[in-house]
Amino acid sequence: RKEVEQDPGPFNVPEGATVAFNCTYSNSASQSFFWYRQDCRKEPKLLMSVYSSGNEDGRFTAQLNRASQYISLLIRDSKLSDSATYLCVVTPSSGGSYIPTFGRGTSLIVHP
Amino acid sequence: NAGVTQTPKFRVLKTGQSMTLLCAQDMNHEYMYWYRQDPGMGLRLIHYSVGEGTTAKGEVPDGYNVSRLKKQNFLLGLESAAPSQTSVYFCASSVPWQTNSPLHFGNGTRLTVT
Repeated sequence: RKEVEQDPGPFNVPEGATVAFNCTYSNSASQSFFWYRQDCRKEPKLLMSVYSSGNEDGRFTAQLNRASQYISLLIRDSKLSDSATYLCVVTPSSGGSYIPTFGRGTSLIVHP
Repeated sequence: NAGVTQTPKFRVLKTGQSMTLLCAQDMNHEYMYWYRQDPGMGLRLIHYSVGEGTTAKGEVPDGYNVSRLKKQNFLLGLESAAPSQTSVYFCASSVPWQTNSPLHFGNGTRLTVT
């Protein structure tokens, strides 16, 4: 089983739609969780950290479910500019290894 | 704020040539990483460093060497380039033991080996 798994998509949605992605992780000792956005093989850019209590940034909401070991990203009122690949990143907290693990990304296409 | 800077941005090599990619960060981060990204493969960790003078192998280290002589710089070397090393290379840095401290990426180096 991969350490961090994401549905590669693509998710093809109309403008204005609400779309949600999940990301599962296998290391229960993970301590930090992030969503990154990547456009067309440019560098990944931090979209938002994911906090235990869940957090919101405008149209984006991230949640963490430690019991089921997944994080989610909800995008409301999708814009054409939201089209990108969304990467899930998980950092462990134990064993002296803090090397982040990336999912392979979920592709989102927002169409008019 | 410069953040993480990679040079060069583009390079074309012939098979067998060598080159060094430079990554520099000005955030005093302890950890630095080199990734490669190929279509459909996601980011794959080549080598990483947990501090000045240290390096370690990642997921796909073969054909690459690295050095971290100074804390702010992490060099990735290709001794004898192969077409299979055609890829986009990203450098990143972080302080991962700080909860919710993210990775910061450079702009990438697009390498073609013919």
